[in-house]
Amino acid sequence: GAGVSQSPRYKVAKRGQDVALRCDPISGHVSLFWYQQALGQGPEFLTYFQNEAQLDKSGLPSDRFFAERPEGSVSTLKIQRTQQEDSAVYLCASSPLSSGYYEQYFGPGTRLTVT
Amino acid sequence: GESVGLHLPTLSVQEGDNSIINCAYSNSASDYFIWYKQESGKGPQFIIDIRSNMDKRQGQRVTVLLNKTVKHLSLQIAATQPGDSAVYFCAENMATGRRALTFGSGTRLQVQP
Repeated sequence: GAGVSQSPRYKVAKRGQDVALRCDPISGHVSLFWYQQALGQGPEFLTYFQNEAQLDKSGLPSDRFFAERPEGSVSTLKIQRTQQEDSAVYLCASSPLSSGYYEQYFGPGTRLTVT
Repeated sequence: GESVGLHLPTLSVQEGDNSIINCAYSNSASDYFIWYKQESGKGPQFIIDIRSNMDKRQGQRVTVLLNKTVKHLSLQIAATQPGDSAVYFCAENMATGRRALTFGSGTRLQVQP
């Protein structure tokens, strides 16, 4: 079946521009996560949704970062007034469960380059 | 905060050899551990997981060992193949509480033909 998809795959933004990154999780998956991965580093948690509820946003680095999942399916990560330090790969992951031990299925990521 | 770390940034092995990738974790509350493989331009791909009530788990050509006494994980890959070349991450999680995975910085595995 279809996995997690993300769009766009690549995004170049000029410093100060706003960007929106989309994640289509696996159909029926309850949990959705966003991670940020800097070059040569492991992914770092940004935020977590259980259905449409954003239960954890402790990883968002500043108030320029905003995420939503209004209907409990597709999610959008928005970055306002992008800065060079925002350049990274943004990964989305989903899972069919919301408690207990479960695997997270990752999408291919969106590579954001801020110039 | 507490995090997962790795000892070796790069591991080079000959095709057919066994590979061992190590990981240290520091959060004693973590009770679920996962190894992911990430190829260039792709998202992390699940390899194998282990719960804290186990010390060993085997999959196809892979084995994960967990030593809770010294907070150490290892991933063993048998008969390493060129397709195994990638960056490997260990990640930790808790069945309750915070749902986010905490990743280490990764080990690059290079398989020489």
